[in-house]
Amino acid sequence: QSVLTQPPSVSGAPGQRITISCTGSSSNIGAGYDVHWYQQLPGTAPKLLIYGNSNRPSGVPDRFSGSKSGTSASLAITGLQAEDEADYYCQSYDSNLSVLYVFGTGTKVTVL
Amino acid sequence: QVQLVESGGGLVKPGGSLRLSCAASGFAFSDYYMSWIRQAPGKGLEWISLISHSGPDTIYYADSVKGRFTISRDNAKNSLYLQMDSLRAEDTAVYYCARDIGSVATTGAYDYWGQGALVTVSS
Repeated sequence: QSVLTQPPSVSGAPGQRITISCTGSSSNIGAGYDVHWYQQLPGTAPKLLIYGNSNRPSGVPDRFSGSKSGTSASLAITGLQAEDEADYYCQSYDSNLSVLYVFGTGTKVTVL
Repeated sequence: QVQLVESGGGLVKPGGSLRLSCAASGFAFSDYYMSWIRQAPGKGLEWISLISHSGPDTIYYADSVKGRFTISRDNAKNSLYLQMDSLRAEDTAVYYCARDIGSVATTGAYDYWGQGALVTVSS
């Protein structure tokens, strides 16, 4: 069971801006721990999109951006493209002893 | 280029064992923390284990696998392992090895992933 909650689905038309929320608690995001974001295309391994709340690895387009506030984080995708249709997961450290790192529930992005 | 290649997946009966391997290339393997992350069919990602760059001094497990799974590495062979014992049906998943983006310290961000190894636990 995940402790980071994401909306099951988000959709948008090509060119639009969408955001995906990631809601945590005082044991993870709210405690100040970093949030990372991954994109998973069907049948492939996840790809790191954002690390340390708002940093993009080399090669990730600047259409992707991340932010964090309080017990939540967000991933924004501007200029939505057909190739952005994928599952997206947030991730953070959790001070709960049962697990070191937790992933979000995942969000399916559909490009209309 | 950085590559992670898992092997060792397959079909195993409940209560059985399996050992996954992850062969790393294209980077200084001994400098990086490594983890195993799994994904049950049609489900989300689940972090299950981490090992420090130098080996057994720092190892963590999720409660869901603690006492049944053992992570290890051989830096001389650029390889990561996951010994899985007492397997259950709920362990059925694709298992990924992943490299932590931080060198000599864990950040929890994984910048390179293997292609995944499917483990199916069924009688």
